[in-house]
Amino acid sequence: GAVVSQHPSRVICKSGTSVKIECRSLDFQATTMFWYRQFPKQSLMLMATSNEGSKATYEQGVEKDKFLINHASLTLSTLTVTSAHPEDSSFYICSASLPGASSYNSPLHFGNGTRLTVT
Amino acid sequence: GENVEQHPSTLSVQEGDSAVIKCTYSDSASNYFPWYKQELGKGPQLIIDIRSNVGEKKDQRIAVTLNKTAKHFSLHITETQPEDSAVYFCAAFGNQGGKLIFGQGTELSVKP
Repeated sequence: GAVVSQHPSRVICKSGTSVKIECRSLDFQATTMFWYRQFPKQSLMLMATSNEGSKATYEQGVEKDKFLINHASLTLSTLTVTSAHPEDSSFYICSASLPGASSYNSPLHFGNGTRLTVT
Repeated sequence: GENVEQHPSTLSVQEGDSAVIKCTYSDSASNYFPWYKQELGKGPQLIIDIRSNVGEKKDQRIAVTLNKTAKHFSLHITETQPEDSAVYFCAAFGNQGGKLIFGQGTELSVKP
C-alpha cells in the first residue's frame, strides 16, 4: 500500500530555534500533502494543505510565518517550525492521498508523526 | 462547516466481544467517511472507509455502516482481540472546504 515517511520521529529543541520536519511519499507522487497537529489525548487538527509548486493553504488560526511549508517536489513536503516555543510542543503528522483521486474524496495515508518537544 | 461528533470517548470490552463506535456529522453534503486506528506514538492507519452511495461495508472483523438520512456512521469490530486496543478516529469529508474533519477519538481497550 501507499507509504508516507516522516522524519525525524522525535526532536527536542531549545526555545527560539527552528525545526524542519520532512514528509515523503515513498511509492507514489503526491501533488497534495496535509499537515496535522495533535495534542495529547486530542484529535487531529488540520494545519495546512501543501500543494506542489504553489503556496500552502493554512487553516484559520495557524500562523503561516511561524509554520513554513514547502512542497518543492511531488514526493517531498517540509514543515519548518520557526522560533519554536514550548507551546509548539506537539505531535505533527503529515498525510497524502494517491494521485488521480477525485478532489480530496480518497483515502489519506499518514506518516508516523514527529514528536516535537521545545525546552 | 463540517462538525463530527464521536462516541464514546473510551470503550472497554472483553476479548471476543464486539465493539461499536458511533459518529455523527453535520454537513449533509459529506460523501466520504474513513476510519483510522492510531497506536501510541504512531500516525493514524486507515482501516476501512465508506462512501455515501453505500450503506454498509465489511472487511473481515471490521464493518462500517452509514445512515445518510440520520447523518451518522458506525464502526463495528467483532471478535475483538487485545491487539485491537488503540485510539480510533472517524472522519468525514465534505465538498465544502474540501478537507477531512476528524471526530474526537475513542480509546478502545480490549482486556484478555
